[in-house]
Amino acid sequence: SQQGEEDPQALSIQEGENATMNCSYKTSINNLQWYRQNSGRGLVHLILIRSNEREKHSGRLRVTLDTSKKSSSLLITASRAADTASYFCATDRRFQKLVFGTGTRLLVSP
Amino acid sequence: GAGVSQSPSNKVTEKGKDVELRCDPISGHTALYWYRQSLGQGLEFLIYFQGNSAPDKSGLPSDRFSAERTGGSVSTLTIQRTQQEDSAVYLCASSLGTGGAGGNQPQHFGDGTRLSIL
Repeated sequence: SQQGEEDPQALSIQEGENATMNCSYKTSINNLQWYRQNSGRGLVHLILIRSNEREKHSGRLRVTLDTSKKSSSLLITASRAADTASYFCATDRRFQKLVFGTGTRLLVSP
Repeated sequence: GAGVSQSPSNKVTEKGKDVELRCDPISGHTALYWYRQSLGQGLEFLIYFQGNSAPDKSGLPSDRFSAERTGGSVSTLTIQRTQQEDSAVYLCASSLGTGGAGGNQPQHFGDGTRLSIL
């Protein structure tokens, strides 16, 4: 079964707005990774946050991790049309392979 | 540097035929993964290889599916007697390592092979 579940399944916003996607998981993790997938392409790694970290930034991306709630969020600030893609979280349990969630489809309209 | 390369990018074949999908991982990456993605869906894990260890085949959906990795580099995913439900995008990824106490390294994906079974 899927370890990570993203919500919402789909999100539609205007350029310049912020986009927030959430990922919930069931068991304790080593780290959590976020990926982006543009239409017709493979996934691209965005950011990795370890279980002992609470927040991490990369450019316009901000990822938070709350291990007590078993959840993570990905915030994209000042979104652009080029951010239109599907976003996946992947959970990493100790000595286990990565498990990808079901993804959030983000549409950013000009 | 070169990323993960998959071939062919598109494959159309008749039901019942066998197909071979190829993946060239990033040089030096010891871990290689195969996933299947149906239209608009998430990733379905199929199989992964880690160094010289026995592959984890736990995601293969039936015995019609098999994969090998020769010389710790190139991998081939074979689907025998294809069925229409095999139609999907097959993604390959590689990484510096998987599992272990330190966790998983980020995975680098190819652009996939879009398989259509008529």
